[in-house]
Amino acid sequence: DQQVKQNSPSLSVQEGRISILNCDYTNSMFDYFLWYKKYPAEGPTFLISISSIKDKNEDGRFTVFLNKSAKHLSLHIVPSQPGDSAVYFCAASGNSGYSTLTFGKGTMLLVSP
Amino acid sequence: DGGITQSPKYLFRKEGQNVTLSCEQNLNHDAMYWYRQDPGQGLRLIYYSQIVNDFQKGDIAEGYSVSREKKESFPLTVTSAQKNPTAFYLCASRPSGVGTDTQYFGPGTRLTVL
Repeated sequence: DQQVKQNSPSLSVQEGRISILNCDYTNSMFDYFLWYKKYPAEGPTFLISISSIKDKNEDGRFTVFLNKSAKHLSLHIVPSQPGDSAVYFCAASGNSGYSTLTFGKGTMLLVSP
Repeated sequence: DGGITQSPKYLFRKEGQNVTLSCEQNLNHDAMYWYRQDPGQGLRLIYYSQIVNDFQKGDIAEGYSVSREKKESFPLTVTSAQKNPTAFYLCASRPSGVGTDTQYFGPGTRLTVL
């Protein structure tokens, strides 16, 4: 049973436009959410996070929005650049007390020039 | 340079052999984690350790073993009991303290069992 779901396996966006990556979760005990970016054959790189006490967190071109009532979060990338092309993983923690992360299956973003 | 190192980058083993993957960090992080990634899948937790000499099973621990004798090191052994060992293995660490759920990853080891 997937507790963190990324329902779009892939997303294509033109350079300069907005990329919106979505993530849904089912476990109401999750209280901290993260986005990671991953290139093939490399380790994931931490991008941005948000605590459940907030509904928005911004860092440069990246903004994460959290809708607790809908158990939904999204990552906005504005403007998108070709170097943003990668797989993006949504992750959540808070359900175990040991700070383990539960990951979604990822969304592959392709930003074309 | 602080960071997490995993070696080797690529590893080949014959079926039935045990193999140990290395993970070292010099970030002074207390917690360390092992994940496995398969094509089209997210990262699945194998084992994790909050402190030295202590570790817990993750979601897919069967066929794997770990040790945590030093804070800096958290090696993972893939045993012959693991039915599908070919995968990309990722090690991560996390600093201690409240509000520090962010994990930082090493570059990964691609294990191929022939």
